[in-house]
Amino acid sequence: QVQLVQSGAEVKKPGASVKVSCKASGYTFTVYYMHWVRQAPGRGLEWMGWINPNSGGSNFAQKFQGRVTMTRDTSINTAYMELSSLRSDDSAVYYCARGLTTVMAAATGSFDDWGQGTLVTVSS
Amino acid sequence: QSALTQSASVSGSPGQSITISCTGTSSDIGSYNYVSWYQQHPGKAPKLIIYDVTKRPSGVSNRFSGSKSGNTASLTISGLQADDEADYYCSSYTSSNTLDWVFGGGTKLTVL
Repeated sequence: QVQLVQSGAEVKKPGASVKVSCKASGYTFTVYYMHWVRQAPGRGLEWMGWINPNSGGSNFAQKFQGRVTMTRDTSINTAYMELSSLRSDDSAVYYCARGLTTVMAAATGSFDDWGQGTLVTVSS
Repeated sequence: QSALTQSASVSGSPGQSITISCTGTSSDIGSYNYVSWYQQHPGKAPKLIIYDVTKRPSGVSNRFSGSKSGNTASLTISGLQADDEADYYCSSYTSSNTLDWVFGGGTKLTVL
C-alpha cells in the first residue's frame, strides 16, 4: 500500500529555514506528482506547490515564490520541501500528498495519499 | 479568507443525511470538474473521499456523494454515523495565476 512518511517536528527561529522530507513507498515514486499542503493551528488547508519527481520540475503558489524550494532524491524515493525566511505565521503542520494524476498529464488530480504531517513551530 | 466558501458547521443525527456546500467562482469550481472533498479527524491527516466532483476512491463508503452546479459543489453524507464527525474540506483546481489549487475553510460536522 502507498505510504508517505515525513520527518519529525521542528522548532525554528524567525528568519531560519526548515527542510521537511517525505519518503514514499508502495508505488513508483517518479510516476505521480507530489504536492505540499500546510495547515496552521486551528485553520484550514493551504496548497503550497508540487514537484514532478521524474523531471524535478516544480510549481508553487505565488505567495511562496522566492521562499520555497521543492526537490527530490529518486534514489531513496524521497521528496523535500524547504521553506526559508521563516515567520511566526509559517507555524503549521506541513503535509506531503501524492497527486492522483501521473506526471504524463497536467497536475490537475486531487491529493490521494497523505503523509502524517510535520509540525513546524517558528518562535523566538 | 479562504478562496472557497463553506459553512462553518453542520450537524445531524445518526441515520440522517446532511449536505455541505462549497461556493467558488467561475475561475475554479465553475470552470473545472476537478473538485475534491477531504475528511479530517482531529490530529489526523486529511483523507480524500470525493474527487473529480462525483468519484469515490476505492474503499470510501458509498454513503458519501458529490455533485456540482455552476460555481457551487456539494458533499452529501447519508446514513450518518458517529465516525463521520470530522472536518470536511472542499478543494478545486483553479485558473488563478497565483496558485493551482484552492481550498474551502472547512466545515465541522457534528453527529448529535
